Amino acid sequence: GENVEQHPSTLSVQEGDSAVIKCTYSDSASNYFPWYKQELGKRPQLIIDIRSNVGEKKDQRIAVTLNKTAKHFSLHITETQPEDSAVYFCAASVRTGFQKLVFGTGTRLLVSP
Amino acid sequence: DAGITQSPRHKVTETGTPVTLRCHQTENHRYMYWYRQDPGHGLRLIHYSYGVKDTDKGEVSDGYSVSRSKTEDFLLTLESATSSQTSVYFCAISEAGTENTEAFFGQGTRLTVV
Repeated sequence: GENVEQHPSTLSVQEGDSAVIKCTYSDSASNYFPWYKQELGKRPQLIIDIRSNVGEKKDQRIAVTLNKTAKHFSLHITETQPEDSAVYFCAASVRTGFQKLVFGTGTRLLVSP
Repeated sequence: DAGITQSPRHKVTETGTPVTLRCHQTENHRYMYWYRQDPGHGLRLIHYSYGVKDTDKGEVSDGYSVSRSKTEDFLLTLESATSSQTSVYFCAISEAGTENTEAFFGQGTRLTVV
């Protein structure tokens, strides 16, 4: 079935460093790739998304890149801050009668001061 | 935050008992979803709805049923709770299908089956 793999499962960086989280997907028809951030005990919230007709998208310190040929996409966070510490989920749209999102297993990012 | 409320926020129940979780939205969004979140599995879709009385199964629907009699309410029922259904349950809503628009999540319901 449809699958989204996410790596790494945990990532520790020093404040000010960059962080990169990578995802691969299996459905070549996927065309929407959102990223969600979930702080401890809170709900997941969308931080950035990208559609298949775009290769890269930036929003301040956050960027997402998409390689449709290789079926992988990545989240890049520059100049990390302690408040970036959270669990990040990637997702890909799949269509099996109805278009839905399949989520990766999550990456726990810890930014140390 | 989008107007989406889940109730209850926490529940402990015994194996074999029925349990109903409620999701209420004030955004008038057409699409509603129930996910469960478990360590190592991310968010997995249980059921979804694309309109009043229109529902369908997700990837982990066994042991769950849903109902949507009004646009604003989407109920998830565990017919006979099992320990494997201990999880955090999230409701989500979207204006259109999730291929194009943001899905907004509720605060979650932590369910423990003992």
